[in-house]
Amino acid sequence: EVQLLESGGGLVQPGGSLRLSCAASGFTFSSYAINWVRQAPGKGLEWVSAISGSGGSTYYADSVKGRFTISRDNSKNTLFLQMNTLRAEDTAVYYCAKDEYSFGPSYYFDCWGQGTLVTVSS
Amino acid sequence: QSVLTQPPSASGTPGQRVTISCSGSSSNIGNNYVFWYQQLPGTAPKLLIYRIYQRPSGVPDRFAGSKSGTSASLAISGLRSEDEADYYCAAWDDSLRGWLFGGGTKLTVL
Repeated sequence: EVQLLESGGGLVQPGGSLRLSCAASGFTFSSYAINWVRQAPGKGLEWVSAISGSGGSTYYADSVKGRFTISRDNSKNTLFLQMNTLRAEDTAVYYCAKDEYSFGPSYYFDCWGQGTLVTVSS
Repeated sequence: QSVLTQPPSASGTPGQRVTISCSGSSSNIGNNYVFWYQQLPGTAPKLLIYRIYQRPSGVPDRFAGSKSGTSASLAISGLRSEDEADYYCAAWDDSLRGWLFGGGTKLTVL
């Protein structure tokens, strides 16, 4: 069974940093692109970032470019999101979501984790 | 503000047919596939419709997707209480080179 499990969320002050993790199981991790998608409290979904299966290509939404860094450790089947210079508007549940095949316009998110809450507040 | 526009709410009685719209532009819906995700209360989103009209295994044929020009629609027929959820459309945007989601539509089964 394909599973994704996020961790690392919590309360952080504005301007601070946080590192999220997503542990994967049930599939060949290195063969698939993985995304981060967030959802602010009571709001809709927002795509944040993606990384190719090899880790050689990364993609970011304009709202987080230059502040967030996505990476992966294929030897440990784990995805990361390093979040720096956090703002109140980054407060959200962060989901990791596996791509059907690779990152691009034809492929969907076929498995989602349960999410981890990040709260940016003083 | 989402670039893909959905009505914030929709409702219907059991057995009825409801339609949820998703409006975009030529750089997203007009030139790419549309996907629909269902988010039941307190849970993560789940794929409902992919590549405009295709259903993953396990999704009943009561759910149907379509697209015309720069707009897409999700139709739910034979409405059931368990369909009460938030529904999101999604499409790739060629200008942003990334994914866009609609603002979501909260479906209430009266």
